[in-house]
Amino acid sequence: GAGVSQSPSNKVTEKGKDVELRCDPISGHTALYWYRQRLGQGLEFLIYFQGNSAPDKSGLPSDRFSAERTGESVSTLTIQRTQQEDSAVYLCASSPWDEQFFGPGTRLTVL
Amino acid sequence: RKEVEQDPGPFNVPEGATVAFNCTYSNSASQSFFWYRQDCRKEPKLLMSVYSSGNEDGRFTAQLNRASQYISLLIRDSKLSDSATYLCVVNLPFSGSARQLTFGSGTQLTVLP
Repeated sequence: GAGVSQSPSNKVTEKGKDVELRCDPISGHTALYWYRQRLGQGLEFLIYFQGNSAPDKSGLPSDRFSAERTGESVSTLTIQRTQQEDSAVYLCASSPWDEQFFGPGTRLTVL
Repeated sequence: RKEVEQDPGPFNVPEGATVAFNCTYSNSASQSFFWYRQDCRKEPKLLMSVYSSGNEDGRFTAQLNRASQYISLLIRDSKLSDSATYLCVVNLPFSGSARQLTFGSGTQLTVLP
């Protein structure tokens, strides 16, 4: 079956521009996570959605980062006024309960 | 103390060797445990779930020691294709809107010909 998909796969942007990253989770998965992974580093939790509950935003690094999810479907992660330190791979994962299934990620490069 | 700690390695082993990784966790209320593998420049993929005292899947065996709060992953007869970073993941009990999973920073394995 279809897995988690993310778009775009690569995004190059200029410092100061806004970017929007998209995640399509596996159908029926109630939980959705966003992570950031810098080159050679571990996963950094950003935000977690569970059903219709209020999202856990405790991992968002600054108010330039925000994310939305409508019901149990698509989620978008928005980064405003991008900085060079935002360059990383942004991974989305969906989960039916415990195990997480990751998308291929969006590689963001801020010039 | 980190919530989930792993030896970062790297572990360099010859083909056919047996290699073991350990992972310790700090929260005794943790309920579920997983091993993921991540290939270079790829997303993490679930390797094994560890729910009780441990389980085995072919060449891979995962063990859980609740008293000492660690899990281990044993790889027997290692293959070149096992080269990857292995991530230990620990899950707190389901608690509604709270974040559940904590990832270790990973152990890098290279299997040499």
